[in-house]
Amino acid sequence: AQTVTQSQPEMSVQEAETVTLSCTYDTSESDYYLFWYKQPPSRQMILVIRQEAYKQQNATENRFSVNFQKAAKSFSLKISDSQLGDAAMYFCAYSPGNQFYFGTGTSLTVIP
Amino acid sequence: DAGVIQSPRHEVTEMGQEVTLRCKPISGHNSLFWYRQTMMRGLELLIYFNNNVPIDDSGMPEDRFSAKMPNASFSTLKIQPSEPRDSAVYFCASRVQGAVRTEAFFGQGTRLTVV
Repeated sequence: AQTVTQSQPEMSVQEAETVTLSCTYDTSESDYYLFWYKQPPSRQMILVIRQEAYKQQNATENRFSVNFQKAAKSFSLKISDSQLGDAAMYFCAYSPGNQFYFGTGTSLTVIP
Repeated sequence: DAGVIQSPRHEVTEMGQEVTLRCKPISGHNSLFWYRQTMMRGLELLIYFNNNVPIDDSGMPEDRFSAKMPNASFSTLKIQPSEPRDSAVYFCASRVQGAVRTEAFFGQGTRLTVV
């Protein structure tokens, strides 16, 4: 079975601080992609960042970066300098081939 | 491009009624996914199509659920008869098949309430 686990149903962070959201996945594949999506109250699913499994270098997109540990099957998202607009549900996704498997999400609250 | 378009945005129906959710993928995308989102289970993959052909429907909860993709620009998810436990947000997403580095693009979702 291919599963994605997000063990933190809820997280909070003070504005301007840094927060890390955890994600682990189970797979027997060697080549795949990992994604983090953001879902604000509007319900729209927005891509935050992607990581290719065969690349050792961690992906970075402005204030968002990942810590990809392939052997540990771990893919955490770090948000630096948190802003009020970062408040949302965050989903980790694993994609081998054409399918996408999502975790249960982490609800992030940003405290002013 | 208008993105993935789903209709309706909201649907309230009585238990036992038939419900049809609709999706128009992004033009040129040949993979289409249906997901169900609940608090308990997060985003569950129900079914996905490649080139209008259902590839994996193992996530479809039971025979009351069916999905079709008669052409490259339209798909439906039908629930008949509907039950209160079907209440959830249903998302449609599309992607270019084979371009594994690309993300899936989501519609705005349909919030279904079965009373």
